[in-house]
Amino acid sequence: SAVISQKPSRDICQRGTSLTIQCQVDSQVTMMFWYRQQPGQSLTLIATANQGSEATYESGFVIDKFPISRPNLTFSTLTVSNMSPEDSSIYLCSVEWAPNQPQHFGDGTRLSIL
Amino acid sequence: AQRVTQPEKLLSVFKGAPVELKCNYSYSGSPELFWYVQYSRQRLQLLLRHISRESIKGFTADLNKGETSFHLKKPFAQEEDSAMYYCALSGKNNAGNMLTFGGGTRLMVKP
Repeated sequence: SAVISQKPSRDICQRGTSLTIQCQVDSQVTMMFWYRQQPGQSLTLIATANQGSEATYESGFVIDKFPISRPNLTFSTLTVSNMSPEDSSIYLCSVEWAPNQPQHFGDGTRLSIL
Repeated sequence: AQRVTQPEKLLSVFKGAPVELKCNYSYSGSPELFWYVQYSRQRLQLLLRHISRESIKGFTADLNKGETSFHLKKPFAQEEDSAMYYCALSGKNNAGNMLTFGGGTRLMVKP
């Protein structure tokens, strides 16, 4: 399975600013995903990061708030834009390293907005 | 719509006791189900998937389509089993496969 590096591991940000989270994999993977885990909650899929095209967003998530890039098969970014305290969560990258294989997760980014 | 329910937020047992973490799902197609585990200060990791039909760290889970359940079981709990356990269902969205997670159950194994 792939080694997944996610950074930053944590950050404290000011209201109204934006933060970009990076996910790097050490080998090519078929699928990359971004999840959010709000305090005391389970994981919710934000979007599927598609290589070379626009991400596919789940209900309740929009591109303007969570722009995603995936320029190649090993790298993706998630930006949390115009942050408010409600965006305080753990954001996780996951990958499917081959078709129909289970997803594997990065360590997550713990984000706090003041 | 697909949904996963884990009715217990917290399960506390003594070392050596049997453990059963409940998971029920709702899905119109043919489901693929997983159990993920998160130990303290570690990343979320795959514990087992139903199609593998294997036992990992003494845990097993059987898919019961009639009861739409995928309960996780272990006959004798160990202290190192203390962790957060998530049941997840893989279904299709517009982009391909998506995982829907249950709310999670925290397992505490007391000495």
